[in-house]
Amino acid sequence: AQTVTQSQPEMSVQEAETVTLSCTYDTSESDYYLFWYKQPPSRQMILVIRQEAYKQQNATENRFSVNFQKAAKSFSLKISDSQLGDAAMYFCALRGGTSGTYKYIFGTGTRLKVLA
Amino acid sequence: NAGVMQNPRHLVRRRGQEARLRCSPMKGHSHVYWYRQLPEEGLKFMVYLQKENIIDESGMPKERFSAEFPKEGPSILRIQQVVRGDSAAYFCASSPNAGTGEGNEQFFGPGTRLTVL
Repeated sequence: AQTVTQSQPEMSVQEAETVTLSCTYDTSESDYYLFWYKQPPSRQMILVIRQEAYKQQNATENRFSVNFQKAAKSFSLKISDSQLGDAAMYFCALRGGTSGTYKYIFGTGTRLKVLA
Repeated sequence: NAGVMQNPRHLVRRRGQEARLRCSPMKGHSHVYWYRQLPEEGLKFMVYLQKENIIDESGMPKERFSAEFPKEGPSILRIQQVVRGDSAAYFCASSPNAGTGEGNEQFFGPGTRLTVL
């Protein structure tokens, strides 16, 4: 079975500082993708960043970057220069690819608060 | 290209009524996924459909829930005889193809918030 664990229910960061959100996962598949989604109060799911498991290089997207440790099955998100608009729920998600279905497995989320 | 559309955005039902949630995938997308988000939880997979076929319904409750994606028209998630525990946000996502290649990621709709009184 595939699982995604986010062990930080809530995190706080000062505006302009850096914060790291943790995510660990488990899968027996060799071909998979990992994602971080942001969910603001509007509840819209916004893709922040994605990582292909076969790529060793960590993905980056402007102020957002990941630390992908494949052997440790760890996929953390780093937000640099935090802004008030970054405040939201953040979900880590895993999508397999060899089982015939491509459903996303989501973690329970981390609520990020940004302090002015 | 419009995104994934879901309607209604908010739906209120009394216990025992039926709820119908609609999802129109992005243009050119033939794969639809439904997810449920209970309060203060992450999204949980319910069902994966292609046109006229249910591919994976491993996340669907065995009773009262059904889904379809007809050849023409939107995908429908139907909940019969709703109970308070069905209150949640229901998200639809679509993708152009199956597989794990680039460009096959899922695009999410804004969700339908179902409240059962």
